[in-house]
Amino acid sequence: AQSVAQPEDQVNVAEGNPLTVKCTYSVSGNPYLFWYVQYPNRGLQFLLKYITGDNLVKGSYGFEAEFNKSQTSFHLKKPSALVSDSALYFCAVRAYSGAGSYQLTFGKGTKLSVIP
Amino acid sequence: KAGVTQTPRYLIKTRGQQVTLSCSPISGHRSVSWYQQTPGQGLQFLFEYFSETQRNKGNFPGRFSGRQFSNSRSEMNVSTLELGDSALYLCASSLTGQGVNTEAFFGQGTRLTVV
Repeated sequence: AQSVAQPEDQVNVAEGNPLTVKCTYSVSGNPYLFWYVQYPNRGLQFLLKYITGDNLVKGSYGFEAEFNKSQTSFHLKKPSALVSDSALYFCAVRAYSGAGSYQLTFGKGTKLSVIP
Repeated sequence: KAGVTQTPRYLIKTRGQQVTLSCSPISGHRSVSWYQQTPGQGLQFLFEYFSETQRNKGNFPGRFSGRQFSNSRSEMNVSTLELGDSALYLCASSLTGQGVNTEAFFGQGTRLTVV
């Protein structure tokens, strides 16, 4: 069965500093990996995905993620954090679950706080 | 284009009651998935519907059910509500639910509180 781990419940970073939110995964076959962000009282917003190809994936709002197959990781990064980036971030892996169906399995989420 | 619409946004129910939540996917999307989000368990997959058929189901009791209509709108129903059912219920739509270029788009969720 597929799984995703986000080892940090919370990440604090100063505004203007680079940020990293960590994610590791376990899945049989080729992974389809996603990052979503959730602002308070909102649903999840898609940030970026890795399907195949370049290991460095660029997404919305200046975020990028690096796929590392040997370390089974897909860390989210941003060169310069903004206060408005403060939110809950979810890593997810999509795996085939039979009968033509795919299922997203999410990590527990990492709360990012950007300090002014 | 319009996003995923979930109604109602907030709901308060009493233990033992039942509740129906609604989700209208993005126009043209045929796959609708439902997730339960709680602080303790995170996001957990409930079920997926595609072309009016349940294609996949997560590990939830039979009190949780759903359906999808011919216009791809979906409803989920929870019967005999328990306090532990209090959660944010999220609906996600995608083009077909499979393939390499179909990320899921989420609605804002329905916040269900069981008292």
